[in-house]
Amino acid sequence: AQKVTQAQTEISVVEKEDVTLDCVYETRDTTYYLFWYKQPPSGELVFLIRRNSFDEQNEISGRYSWNFQKSTSSFNFTITASQVVDSAVYFCALSESNNAGNMLTFGGGTRLMVKP
Amino acid sequence: KAGVTQTPRYLIKTRGQQVTLSCSPISGHRSVSWYQQTPGQGLQFLFEYFSETQRNKGNFPGRFSGRQFSNSRSEMNVSTLELGDSALYLCASSLVLSTDTQYFGPGTRLTVL
Repeated sequence: AQKVTQAQTEISVVEKEDVTLDCVYETRDTTYYLFWYKQPPSGELVFLIRRNSFDEQNEISGRYSWNFQKSTSSFNFTITASQVVDSAVYFCALSESNNAGNMLTFGGGTRLMVKP
Repeated sequence: KAGVTQTPRYLIKTRGQQVTLSCSPISGHRSVSWYQQTPGQGLQFLFEYFSETQRNKGNFPGRFSGRQFSNSRSEMNVSTLELGDSALYLCASSLVLSTDTQYFGPGTRLTVL
């Protein structure tokens, strides 16, 4: 069965610091997809990135970057020069291709607090 | 393009009652999934509908049910509410494939007294 672990339940940083959110996953499938979502206080999950298991190339989008390493089953998320608006709960999620339908397995989430 | 919409946004019910939540997917999306979020259990998958058929189901009791209409809109129903059903219920829509990106709505916060 699939599983996603986010060991950091809460992280507090000061604005402009870099911060890395860890995500470790377990799956028996060879084809799978990994996601990161952001949940601000309003509650809506905001999609950030989708990565398939065959693409280990790291990705950068502005201040956000993602490091995918199949060898360690990790898909870590780094925010460079953090800002107060980055304060939210961040979720890592996994979807397996052999699912009968669409189903995401989420990690427990990491609450990020960025202080001014 | 409008995002996923959910109604109502907030709901207060008492134990034993039933409740129906509604979700309208992004235009063109045919898959709708439902998730329950609680402080204790986190985000858990309830079920997913595609072309009016339940395609996948999570580990929830039969009190939780859903359906999808021909226009892809979906409803979920919880009967005989329990205190533990208090949660944020999130709906997500995606195109077709089981691994397409899911886009979430703002959620319905259900409180059971």
